[in-house]
Amino acid sequence: DAKTTQPPSMDCAEGRAANLPCNHSTISGNEYVYWYRQIHSQGPQYIIHGLKNNETNEMASLIITEDRKSSTLILPHATLRDTAVYYCIVRVRGSQGNLIFGKGTKLSVKP
Amino acid sequence: ETGVTQTPRHLVMGMTNKKSLKCEQHLGHNAMYWYKQSAKKPLELMFVYNFKEQTENNSVPSRFSPECPNSSHLFLHLHTLQPEDSALYLCASSQVGGSSYEQYFGPGTRLTVT
Repeated sequence: DAKTTQPPSMDCAEGRAANLPCNHSTISGNEYVYWYRQIHSQGPQYIIHGLKNNETNEMASLIITEDRKSSTLILPHATLRDTAVYYCIVRVRGSQGNLIFGKGTKLSVKP
Repeated sequence: ETGVTQTPRHLVMGMTNKKSLKCEQHLGHNAMYWYKQSAKKPLELMFVYNFKEQTENNSVPSRFSPECPNSSHLFLHLHTLQPEDSALYLCASSQVGGSSYEQYFGPGTRLTVT
């Protein structure tokens, strides 16, 4: 699976959009971009995934660049409960086994 | 609520004790996983079960012994642990071979070895 690079931490004001970047320059054609988050001392929570088109669900939007070498997770109206570590993971969809979690981005939403 | 439950949520045990962690998934998935998360470290995969068969053991010491009696239940049996085994132990499940492969995690068991 391709490696990802994320900033270690970010701040966001409550009610504003949080834009979390991820670089995955070695991504291959059959690898998807997945995002998970982990609120303190809880299990990771699946957020969204995509291949090459932008995706949106009730939690977030995922914007993938045309060359697929980077992506951005967007939380449109961040709340205090969105404070968590956000993980960007690249893997082949359908492959069983481990999700390789890096250090992620610690997002702090401030009032 | 993810559909994956873990018990107990917190466990304190001595190095000579034997205990078990339990995980149950209510999602109809066919694969289950144990992960370990030590303080300030990324999650590490420990074991993978696919259709009740262990398909991956990530060089885990034998003092950790998994058991998967059916596709809904997963256990992690612990014996003669070390203090460095203190961590958050997470269970996850997924549907392999279906249309969605996302892993869903339980809340974890916070283990302290004294």
